[in-house]
Amino acid sequence: DVKVTQSSRYLVKRTGEKVFLECVQDMDHENMFWYRQDPGLGLRLIYFSYDVKMKEKGDIPEGYSVSREKKERFSLILESASTNQTSMYLCASRAGTTIGNTIYFGEGSWLTVV
Amino acid sequence: QQQVKQSPQSLIVQKGGISIINCAYENTAFDYFPWYQQFPGKGPALLIAIRPDVSEKKEGRFTISFNKSAKQFSLHIMDSQPGDSATYFCAAGATNKLIFGTGTLLAVQP
Repeated sequence: DVKVTQSSRYLVKRTGEKVFLECVQDMDHENMFWYRQDPGLGLRLIYFSYDVKMKEKGDIPEGYSVSREKKERFSLILESASTNQTSMYLCASRAGTTIGNTIYFGEGSWLTVV
Repeated sequence: QQQVKQSPQSLIVQKGGISIINCAYENTAFDYFPWYQQFPGKGPALLIAIRPDVSEKKEGRFTISFNKSAKQFSLHIMDSQPGDSATYFCAAGATNKLIFGTGTLLAVQP
């Protein structure tokens, strides 16, 4: 069964803290993604990675960075958390780069920055 | 040109009724149009998808209608059930990137 696991489901962090969101997939997928979900704005792509150590900016990369040292693991880093980064973050993975391949999502990480 | 506009934002339907959610896109290069379903506390999951070479695709109670000339596509849920209550996202894309709509919260009343 396909599995994308986000280890932290609920986090509360202080403004200025460095935050790490971890994601692991067990499907040997090449592509991994980080999205942000906000009411009325849908899903917005922050970063994606098409292979180990490879990354590409999405639509809203400001304030975020990513790390992909192993194929199965993709981390989202908030260098200095701000209140406007309070949101739900979704990790996803996909086999290959073909647009028609299914994107599988994790269950999300709810981040509150106070 | 990269936007995907989705409507309505929320929808209430009686059990057994038809739910209709609409999306419009601008980029004529888009060639893949999926719909994702998201239940509370869960991540989105692929529901059904269509390519622009067909005007309709049906899977069980779920149908995508696609109008290439109008650059619009819609999701129809026939015989809507309370278990269909969820948020639905349309998306559109080409090459390796998907653009998602803003989501529709569907509530099916018993």
